[in-house]
Amino acid sequence: QSVLTQPPSVSGAPGQRVTISCTGSSSNIGTGYDVHWYQQFPGTAPKLLIYGNSNRPSGVPDRFSGSKSGTAASLAITGLQAEDEADYYCQSYDSSLSGWVFGGGTKLTVL
Amino acid sequence: QITLKESGPTLVKPTQTLTLTCTFSGFSISTNGVAVGWIRQPPGKALEWLALIYWDDDKLYSPSLKNRLTITKDTSKNQVVLTMTNTDPVDAATYYCAQKRHGAQYFDYWGQGTLVTVSS
Repeated sequence: QSVLTQPPSVSGAPGQRVTISCTGSSSNIGTGYDVHWYQQFPGTAPKLLIYGNSNRPSGVPDRFSGSKSGTAASLAITGLQAEDEADYYCQSYDSSLSGWVFGGGTKLTVL
Repeated sequence: QITLKESGPTLVKPTQTLTLTCTFSGFSISTNGVAVGWIRQPPGKALEWLALIYWDDDKLYSPSLKNRLTITKDTSKNQVVLTMTNTDPVDAATYYCAQKRHGAQYFDYWGQGTLVTVSS
């Protein structure tokens, strides 16, 4: 049971917009800690996709965006492409656990 | 260019101690604020943070595994070592090491991971 809750799967057709939610609590997202997102392809290491709720590292397309409100955050992908099919994980810091926590991951399928 | 690479046994027997080494380049763990952490991922499951060591040797552990983990660093060798005692089949996973830079609460750079099986 992950500390951060994500939907197990989402899907969308090419060109569409999809969002992935990440719900936390008052000891992590709700207390002000930032949310970060990683993209992971099968058999490879996670790659930082969004940091500090809404910032993109160099090289990440602007089709990817992040937001945070209250105890939740969202990752949005616009203009969906086949190459976006991957697993996506949110991550934050938890003050009760004094450590870093991840969501359960969301598998994105491009129809 | 920052790179990290994990190494260690691919197979350990239950109750044995697992020792994993993260060898990195492109940064120094003696730099103010820099840290290296370990994260694992059982097959088909989610990521789980395990431990982290800072430039000043401060160490943090996952509360659920704290009694079984030890993280150390060798600055001269650019290595961070994670030791897990009393392994169990549920510890089977891909183990990643990753860099956390000064002021960040996320992991910038990740190693490729090393798959560990726990079986007799």
